[in-house]
Amino acid sequence: DAKTTQPNSMESNEEEPVHLPCNHSTISGTDYIHWYRQLPSQGPEYVIHGLTSNVNNRMASLAIAEDRKSSTLILHRATLRDAAVYYCILSRSYSGAGSYQLTFGKGTKLSVIP
Amino acid sequence: NAGVTQTPKFQVLKTGQSMTLQCAQDMNHNSMYWYRQDPGMGLRLIYYSASEGTTDKGEVPNGYNVSRLNKREFSLRLESAAPSQTSVYFCASSEEYVTNSPLHFGNGTRLTVT
Repeated sequence: DAKTTQPNSMESNEEEPVHLPCNHSTISGTDYIHWYRQLPSQGPEYVIHGLTSNVNNRMASLAIAEDRKSSTLILHRATLRDAAVYYCILSRSYSGAGSYQLTFGKGTKLSVIP
Repeated sequence: NAGVTQTPKFQVLKTGQSMTLQCAQDMNHNSMYWYRQDPGMGLRLIYYSASEGTTDKGEVPNGYNVSRLNKREFSLRLESAAPSQTSVYFCASSEEYVTNSPLHFGNGTRLTVT
């Protein structure tokens, strides 16, 4: 299975940018990189995903390394509401079965300091 | 537009009892999923339904059954609950069962088996 490696925890000051790293050295050519976050006592929430190019949406930006072996989720201005566990996930395709799975690891717990 | 709705929110069972967790989505999504999350762990896929009329096992299917009742509803049944099934259960849906289709999660059912 394709695995990702993330720091267990990170801290950020409120209103500053946050860069959350993720290593995925065994990524294959068809794997998408997904980011989800989970606030306390809630279900995971989709943040962003990409394949090769950098992606932006209203929540965050995703920067993907040229060799695709790492990526960084960028929150441009952290707020207290961004305190959550952030999951970096590869959606692995299984050829011939037309199926895929999202495997969630333990993620990075982001704390935002007022 | 409620998204993914799970019932009940909390449940306590005695060992050997049975129950059904209900999930409904109002986004007209084709694919639905059941995950479990144990304390300090990531999410693990129990079962999924790629489209109405189909269901398949995920990573941890033992002790569970599912029913895709219609396009909107996907239920998870515990026939004989065990303490090892104490967990938080999340239902999710996606537009399609493809690698770049984001998942939308409910807020979970917190199950305790004594």
